[in-house]
Order: sequence, then C-alpha cells, then structure tokens
Amino acid sequence: DTGVSQDPRHKITKRGQNVTFRCDPISEHNRLYWYRQTLGQGPEFLTYFQNEAQLEKSRLLSDRFSAERPKGSFSTLEIQRTEQGDSAMYLCASSLRAGGGRDTEAFFGQGTRLTVV
Amino acid sequence: SQKIEQNSEALNIQEGKTATLTCNYTNYSPAYLQWYRQDPGRGPVFLLLIRENEKEKRKERLKVTFDTTLKQSLFHITASQPADSATYLCAFSGGYNKLIFGAGTRLAVHP
Repeated sequence: DTGVSQDPRHKITKRGQNVTFRCDPISEHNRLYWYRQTLGQGPEFLTYFQNEAQLEKSRLLSDRFSAERPKGSFSTLEIQRTEQGDSAMYLCASSLRAGGGRDTEAFFGQGTRLTVV
Repeated sequence: SQKIEQNSEALNIQEGKTATLTCNYTNYSPAYLQWYRQDPGRGPVFLLLIRENEKEKRKERLKVTFDTTLKQSLFHITASQPADSATYLCAFSGGYNKLIFGAGTRLAVHP
C-alpha cells in the first residue's frame, strides 16, 4: 500500500498523559498536513510542512501540541497533558506541489482516533 | 473570516435519481474548490477539483459546477447507487493547498 499511513489507528489515554501520533506520507510528496476532525464537522487545519519546514500553524494548535517532520519524510504530532477536549480524529494528508503554483489533490490517511478519558 | 457552508441535513434519495449537494462560501474568492468523499471512520478521499475559470467538471457519474458570482458550487451524482452513500465534503484552498472544509453533507441512497 503506497498511500498515506497513520499509526496508531486508535488511542485511548488518561487525561494528563502525553500521546504521539505518526504519519508516513506518500514518498514523493513534499507537502504534509495535519487536521483534526470532530463528530459532525469537517476536518480543521492544524499545521503544514513543506519538506522539513513547518510553514504554518493554526491558532487551534495550542502550546501543548507540537509537530515535527525530520528530514522531510514522516511526521509526528505530539499532544502533551491531554485534555478531554482533545478527543477527536487526527488526520494526516500529503500532496505534491505542482508547477505554476497549481493546487493538487490531497491524499488523506485513515486517521488516528484519540479518546481522552 | 473565511467560511464554507454545506447543507447540514442529510440528503435521502432513491436509487437511480440524481443527488445534488450544495456548497456556499463567504469572505473569500477561492481559485479552486475540491470535493471529497468520506466514509465513517475513514479519511476523506479526493473526488474532483474545479478551478474558478471552469464552469463545470465531470468525472464518470459525477459533475461539479462553480459559480463565482453566486459563490456556490454544486455537486451532482447521477444514477445514484446505495454504494454512493457517504458524507461529501466541500473544501477550498487557503494557500499552500491548506484546505478549509465545510461540515459535509451526508447522503443516503435507498434501494
């Protein structure tokens, strides 16, 4: 399977614990995104990487959230001191920057479902 | 702020009919709109991208229109099938292909 993969698929954690999610994008894609989705809503943008550089972070991304993409390959999203409000589906997507600045389709992983109890 | 709205009520139609979903946007003039399909517990899957200079785009039984005057996109599925039942998400790019999504419309196609 050469699509976007995310690990784990499900995570249950106690409030106050730290969690880390991993995303492996499609290998030739230089753009990587993290989104969060709650029930009945569309995905909300969290952060964006162009290769290894984190170029944009949403105001949704509090200080407890940190994302990395070392060497421009896989990415990790860490949430420290989790709160019940962090419970959501965390989606990773990748895309290829096209010539002429054209947008291209985004490929999403299956997501990591986080439940904070 | 940039906003994108989709009909939050589920759309129920009979198999074989055409499903039409609506996407409206405000406070923005996107160069592109994208439509995705999402099944329960899974990530969105890309369906179609339409640019502002394209009035209409087709792919098999799918058709998308883009009216920059009305600030609206319509998504049509002709000859709908129960397998088309899913949530359909409209999105526009907020730069760097960062997507701003609507809440999605759930489509149920009944045999």
